[in-house]
This record gives sequence, structure tokens and C-alpha cells, in this order.
Amino acid sequence: DSGVTQTPKHLITATGQRVTLRCSPRSGDLSVYWYQQSLDQGLQFLIQYYNGEERAKGNILERFSAQQFPDLHSELNLSSLELGDSALYFCASSTSGGAWETQYFGPGTRLLVL
Amino acid sequence: GENVEQHPSTLSVQEGDSAVIKCTYSDSASNYFPWYKQELGKRPQLIIDIRSNVGEKKDQRIAVTLNKTAKHFSLHITETQPEDSAVYFCARGSNYKLTFGKGTLLTVNP
Repeated sequence: DSGVTQTPKHLITATGQRVTLRCSPRSGDLSVYWYQQSLDQGLQFLIQYYNGEERAKGNILERFSAQQFPDLHSELNLSSLELGDSALYFCASSTSGGAWETQYFGPGTRLLVL
Repeated sequence: GENVEQHPSTLSVQEGDSAVIKCTYSDSASNYFPWYKQELGKRPQLIIDIRSNVGEKKDQRIAVTLNKTAKHFSLHITETQPEDSAVYFCARGSNYKLTFGKGTLLTVNP
């Protein structure tokens, strides 16, 4: 157990819908990362937050958005869902968000868009 | 570029043999190189990492080597066991994020 929690574990929804994925970082970690893992694209970095502020952005679609709250938990919002959005979504956390720091991954949310 | 090239994509070895996975990168700003192990349906777990001021690091049966001049780093697993079977990802850290390789499916045959 990494100490990073994610809910829900599984999510099944229809195209066009909107979902919210939730992540709580390890105790003491200020930085949260979101990754998407699909069979064809591998592990793709989406976005990073540090202490409530967006710090780095990857290949995140405009239909996706995220935020980190004052209690440091983070939410990833996916809207206008398409079949291709079906994937495993991981959250990771680290102490202060430096690129040299160990990132600890949560168990992931498996999203299936039908 | 930002990509990390990882080879091979699949690797099958006999129990007790060694396994080597190699990754190359092109961004000179990279200074952190972790390796993650992911079992089917589970989260990636860090198994070893190396920072740019070190050329080699070892932890029991696992070792990582880094050649910053040539921009490549490798994972070495000795005396492989069936429980080592998993997908292994290399990554490089720069600009506040990790960029992952495509992964290597390692199968250790009893």
C-alpha cells in the first residue's frame, strides 16, 4: 500500500457523460500527479499540482480538467466522454513535486466508456 | 525530444537467468531515472531509482546503471524468479514530471 488512495475503483459510463475521479495523496505530500494508462499509449502524464496550484501540464485534453483542494486531495474531471477515454487513470503523489522525487502511485480508477 | 525508448518490449527468461532492460533518452535536462514494476491490473510500484550524480545502484537482485554521456540507462535483474514476471517501466524525470517508456513484459518461466 503506497498511502495514495483513489476512488472509485471502477467506473462505467456512456459516451457524452461527465465523471469525476478523486485522489488523496500520502500524508505529508504536497504534490499530486495524474496519469492515463491505455494499451496503445502506455503511461501518459496528464497534469501536476503542487499545494493547490497547477505546476506542469502534459497531453491533457481540453475536455479534461483537474484541481487540488486546500486539504490537498485532487479531482480529475473528464467530460464529453468518448470511447477512446476508456483507460486506467492513476494518481501519484510526492513530497514537493520536484522531477527528482519518488512518485507513489495509487491503485487507479478503471474507466470504461460504452 | 521528450520520449524514452525502451527495449525489448517483451522478454522471456528461464528462472535463475538474468534479465536486462534498456532505455534511452535525448533530453539532457533529465536527472532522475526510476524503474517501476506493474503487475496485471495493479498500480506501478517503484523498484529502484538512480539520480544523475551516480553511475550505478544496486538493491539485492536488482541493479540500475546510468550512462549520462550516452543517454541510456538499464535495469538488471539477476537470479530471476517467477514472481518477477510483470511489466517494467523505465522513466526519466525533468520539468516536474516523469516521462515513461512503453514498458517491457517480463516472463520468468519456472
